[in-house]
Amino acid sequence: DTEVTQTPKHLVMGMTNKKSLKCEQHMGHRAMYWYKQKAKKPPELMFVYSYEKLSINESVPSRFSPECPNSSLLNLHLHALQPEDSALYLCASSQDPGHFYEQYFGPGTRLTVT
Amino acid sequence: AQSVTQLDSHVSVSEGTPVLLRCNYSSSYSPSLFWYVQHPNKGLQLLLKYTSAATLVKGINGFEAEFKKSETSFHLTKPSAHMSDAAEYFCVVSAFMNTGFQKLVFGTGTRLLVSP
Repeated sequence: DTEVTQTPKHLVMGMTNKKSLKCEQHMGHRAMYWYKQKAKKPPELMFVYSYEKLSINESVPSRFSPECPNSSLLNLHLHALQPEDSALYLCASSQDPGHFYEQYFGPGTRLTVT
Repeated sequence: AQSVTQLDSHVSVSEGTPVLLRCNYSSSYSPSLFWYVQHPNKGLQLLLKYTSAATLVKGINGFEAEFKKSETSFHLTKPSAHMSDAAEYFCVVSAFMNTGFQKLVFGTGTRLLVSP
């Protein structure tokens, strides 16, 4: 099973709201990733978790706050977002963070900030 | 630095005809290369990967790619296009970041259009 699940599929939030995105994998992978994808563009890396620890933050604004409660779960907490943050947010996982392993992507959460 | 260049932003084919999506890479070490497909409003699905084993890589749904070091290319092909192949395709190279962690470097994508 190479499935990564994400909830919710769609999310509409105001600029003052607080919401969370959830990602789950049961492949025993030790690396998990958050990407942001704007329309007609490739995904952009936001965060990398390695063995449940935040390893990479690609200079993401603090209004995005990641969390890894355990090895299977990854959350992205959202607060005071801007309209330009509207995008498809993708979660991915790989067997190991430091080698040439493929990443498996979830279906994404389509976020609209009003 | 690792990078990939997808040579065509759009490719149009008729159903039943061959598909060729072109990708050139740049790498300072032996690369790991991937092709991913993204259907509208969906996540990315791994089609195939090259990690220094056989140079001709077979993937899912009849796709294959050939790694050519002399040409620094990793083109994606399929003998006969199906309507369901219409999607965005990304050529990707794996790179090590300064911290030692892997980062996927994406090409800009090629939109494949398939007409009946």
